[in-house]
Amino acid sequence: QVTLRESGPALVKPTQTLTLTCTVSEFSLTSSAMGVNWIRQPPGKTLEWLARIDWDDDTYYRKSLETRLTISKDTSKNQVVLTMTNMDPVDTATYFCARFNMLRGGYDYWGQGILVTVSS
Amino acid sequence: DIQMTQSPSTLSASVGDRVTITCRASQSIDRWLAWYQQKPGKAPKLLIYKASGLESGVPSRFSGSGSGTEFTLTISSLQPDDFAIYYCQQYDSYTNTFGQGTKLEMK
Repeated sequence: QVTLRESGPALVKPTQTLTLTCTVSEFSLTSSAMGVNWIRQPPGKTLEWLARIDWDDDTYYRKSLETRLTISKDTSKNQVVLTMTNMDPVDTATYFCARFNMLRGGYDYWGQGILVTVSS
Repeated sequence: DIQMTQSPSTLSASVGDRVTITCRASQSIDRWLAWYQQKPGKAPKLLIYKASGLESGVPSRFSGSGSGTEFTLTISSLQPDDFAIYYCQQYDSYTNTFGQGTKLEMK
């Protein structure tokens, strides 16, 4: 069974850098036509796509945040890492990693999410 | 960015009802649309891909239709487990976007 699991800090201070890790199992980060994405959801609000890394290492970022975001992967560890610099209280949200299936479309597997609070 | 607008924002219904949620895109997205169900404290669950494809394991009472800019999600006979928030998502471009959500609540 394909699984994704997010890990990282629950609390960060304003201006700090957030580093989140998504560990995947039962599928390869080099599987053709698959991409791992980061998506966030502020409390009580809708979902917001942040970044994606594909099986072939292509990366894509949300335009409004691309100067703050970096996505990378370590295939030996089955991990995808997202860093977000200069964190602000408005970045408080649950952060999800999810697999995008390019053969059909849609995020077919999700992690359970991690709530990150930005506060001093 | 392509904007996705769902209606209604809240829908009150009873077990056994047939319900329809609409999603409109600000420009044509062909059939590159997915629907998700989300329950409190949980990750979204994919229900429908490519406008009308039923994800494996999803009950057949869920169906999707539409193309271009207008799409619908229909639940043919509401079950107690279906009360949740539903989101549409376009993936016409890599900068995919979600609708604001429709809360399906018990009448």
